[in-house]
Amino acid sequence: EAGVVQSPRYKIIEKKQPVAFWCNPISGHNTLYWYRQNLGQGPELLIRYENEEAVDDSQLPKDRFSAERLKGVDSTLKIQPAELGDSAVYLCASSLGAGNSNSPLHFGNGTRLTVT
Amino acid sequence: KNQVEQSPQSLIILEGKNCTLQCNYTVSPFSNLRWYKQDTGRGPVSLTIMTFSENTKSNGRYTATLDADTKQSSLHITASQLSDSASYICVVSSYSSASKIIFGSGTRLSIRP
Repeated sequence: EAGVVQSPRYKIIEKKQPVAFWCNPISGHNTLYWYRQNLGQGPELLIRYENEEAVDDSQLPKDRFSAERLKGVDSTLKIQPAELGDSAVYLCASSLGAGNSNSPLHFGNGTRLTVT
Repeated sequence: KNQVEQSPQSLIILEGKNCTLQCNYTVSPFSNLRWYKQDTGRGPVSLTIMTFSENTKSNGRYTATLDADTKQSSLHITASQLSDSASYICVVSSYSSASKIIFGSGTRLSIRP
């Protein structure tokens, strides 16, 4: 079984530039998550999708962040414009069930974003 | 407020020794608790999952315990190996309508030869 695939692996951009991350979840997983992880901290939820519907985007900074999951499969997360404080690892995860089910989250290896 | 607190923040032990990591939570209503292992530069990987009625669960050299009354969990690692060097993250899920998943900040474990 192929795992969660994320690209790019690393991204370095200057502040005020746009950036996009891509995620392909495990086949058949209806729930998809985007997390942001700062060094030495646990992941923080940005947005959760159930199929193509964003069911929890309360922590997504909507002034500069956007996400989409067309057709309920792969997803993109965009930042425009990027700020220095956006430097972090952006993790995508997928699961079979809803967020509080017994299905574990399967994570990709993340995109490490550096904003200079 | 739903919170997950882990201790210690970091730990260094010699190869072959045992160690125990702690997790305290205030998440309610409780659904389940998972321990994840995160190697450097990789995404977290699930080690164990425990529901309200489970007290102990093992996965090889990893043994997790859960005390739902005191809202505490521990992860015990037996006969540590160099490959155990990683961050271990405690994650608690809630049955609330928002289906919340709350992550701890993790314990950074380093195994020295």
